[in-house]
Amino acid sequence: QVQLQESGPGLVKPSETLSLTCAVSGGSVSSGSYYWSWIRQPPGKGLEWIGYIYYSGSTKYNPSLKSRVTISVDTSKSQFSLKLRSVTAADTAVYYCARYDYGEDYFDYWGQGTQVTVSS
Amino acid sequence: QSALTQPASVSGSPGQSITISCTGTDSDVGSYNLVSWYQHHPGKAPKLLIYEVSKRPSGVSNRFSGSKTGNTASLTISGLQAEDEADYYCCSYAGSNTLGVFGGGTKLTVL
Repeated sequence: QVQLQESGPGLVKPSETLSLTCAVSGGSVSSGSYYWSWIRQPPGKGLEWIGYIYYSGSTKYNPSLKSRVTISVDTSKSQFSLKLRSVTAADTAVYYCARYDYGEDYFDYWGQGTQVTVSS
Repeated sequence: QSALTQPASVSGSPGQSITISCTGTDSDVGSYNLVSWYQHHPGKAPKLLIYEVSKRPSGVSNRFSGSKTGNTASLTISGLQAEDEADYYCCSYAGSNTLGVFGGGTKLTVL
């Protein structure tokens, strides 16, 4: 059974960088059939796909966040990471990591999510 | 890349059936049979219920079913149970040059 677990600071100051890591167990981030994704849910709003990374390192980002986002992968540690720069209160959200099966076009495994609040 | 439109809330009594709609555009729901649905109990990991509009992964109850007409996809839950009370999200593929798009979510209350 694949499991994903997000970790990182729950509080980030405005203008700083939000950094989260997703540890993958029961499966490998080197698997060639998946996009390793970050998704977020601001309070009272729906889900927003931030972007994804393929095991090779290729990425795709949401155009609305592209200038501030970097997703990276560490296959040796079986984890992938999110960095969101120059955060504001609008970046306050629950952040989820998830595995996207691009052959079937669905998210088959998700983490439980981690709350990140942007506040001074 | 606009979010898909879902009703904010729906409700039903145990044993009844409810349907949640998910309306997109010709660029997403209307163009691809690649709509998925997720059940989310707060504090837990979202769970895949339906993929490719109407297919169920193994282990998902057949009380959950999906369909699509034009730009609108639907999730139907029959024989409502208390444990079905959760948030439900749809997601649609929107082409190879963009990420998929989610709905705003629907809160299901079992009365």
